Amino acid sequence: DAKTTQPNSMESNEEEPVHLPCNHSTISGTDYIHWYRQLPSQGPEYVIHGLTSNVNNRMASLAIAEDRKSSTLILHRATLRDAAVYYCILRALNTGNQFYFGTGTSLTVIP
Amino acid sequence: GAVVSQHPSRVICKSGTSVKIECRSLDFQATTMFWYRQFPKQSLMLMATSNEGSKATYEQGVEKDKFLINHASLTLSTLTVTSAHPEDSSFYICGGASGGAIETQYFGPGTRLLVL
Repeated sequence: DAKTTQPNSMESNEEEPVHLPCNHSTISGTDYIHWYRQLPSQGPEYVIHGLTSNVNNRMASLAIAEDRKSSTLILHRATLRDAAVYYCILRALNTGNQFYFGTGTSLTVIP
Repeated sequence: GAVVSQHPSRVICKSGTSVKIECRSLDFQATTMFWYRQFPKQSLMLMATSNEGSKATYEQGVEKDKFLINHASLTLSTLTVTSAHPEDSSFYICGGASGGAIETQYFGPGTRLLVL
């Protein structure tokens, strides 16, 4: 299963943009890139996903490198409610669509 | 997004007893359900994948006779921890997917199991 690498932790000031990086150098052509976030003692919450093109939704934007070996989740204005662990996951279409979670990035938002 | 519920939200049981956790997809049909467990300060670990009406596929190292999974309908999957021991204490999370090429998973709120 393809692996992702994320920084263990990041900090951001409230109302400033946050760029959360993810490296996935072994990604295959059919792997979708998914981002989830998890608050303490809760299940993961879907944030965004993409394949090749950049994606935007009401929660965030996803910027995918041209070679697809890395991606960046962008929170345009961090709020205190965005403090969570963010997981970047590769979804393998050819092997049952399982998700294998990495260690994620713990985001702290400073008021 | 789609909604997944879990019941109970937390359970305490004695060592040696069995515990059943239910996972329901409330507003979509989950053709595939996934079960994860998460120990404190760690990431989610996939335990098994189940397709409706089929036997579950377990990840390496997960005992299928200890963690019984049933996925009898498109909206319900159950995980039974048999003969639970203190080391089975963990946060159990289910995820549901309705299928399709770009389908994502929607996760339940989790069940906190404490085995005394």
